[in-house]
Amino acid sequence: GENVEQHPSTLSVQEGDSAVIKCTYSDSASNYFPWYKQELGKRPQLIIDIRSNVGEKKDQRIAVTLNKTAKHFSLHITETQPEDSAVYFCAAFSGGGADGLTFGKGTHLIIQP
Amino acid sequence: NAGVTQTPKFRVLKTGQSMTLLCAQDMNHEYMYWYRQDPGMGLRLIHYSVGEGTTAKGEVPDGYNVSRLKKQNFLLGLESAAPSQTSVYFCASSYGQSFNEQFFGPGTRLTVL
Repeated sequence: GENVEQHPSTLSVQEGDSAVIKCTYSDSASNYFPWYKQELGKRPQLIIDIRSNVGEKKDQRIAVTLNKTAKHFSLHITETQPEDSAVYFCAAFSGGGADGLTFGKGTHLIIQP
Repeated sequence: NAGVTQTPKFRVLKTGQSMTLLCAQDMNHEYMYWYRQDPGMGLRLIHYSVGEGTTAKGEVPDGYNVSRLKKQNFLLGLESAAPSQTSVYFCASSYGQSFNEQFFGPGTRLTVL
């Protein structure tokens, strides 16, 4: 089955700086890569996703890049703000009627004032 | 629209007791999922359903059973609870499987003593 590795587990950045979270996946058949944000005590919520036929996608301060050859994808947050503090999960979907989304273990992003 | 709801929000069980967690969605989604979330482990898929009357095993199905008798409901059962099942349980639903956002419920915090 699919295996998703996510790094770092904790990331601390100064407010206004950029943050980058990286994930690798193992199944070359994976074709959908969403990112979820989970605030403390809340449910995970989708913030951005990318399909395997696209190399980059941007939504205001958030962007995701995908390198299919290297089997890795990254989340980029620019001009970080206090409300960006949360746990971020990457995920991969390998399809074929298999197990649905496989999630990384999460990155705790801390925005320092 | 309530989205995805879960009942109960909190529960404490003794080892060997049984219980059922209820997930309901009002978005007419075909796909429903049960995940468990443990510290440092991310979200792991327990069971999922691709439609009314169907269920399938995910990554960590042992000790759990599920049923999808109605399209809007997905039940997760623990027949004989064990301390290793102490976790936060999230239900999710989606319109399709690939390329589709999963909408999560608020979670159920379960403690098994």
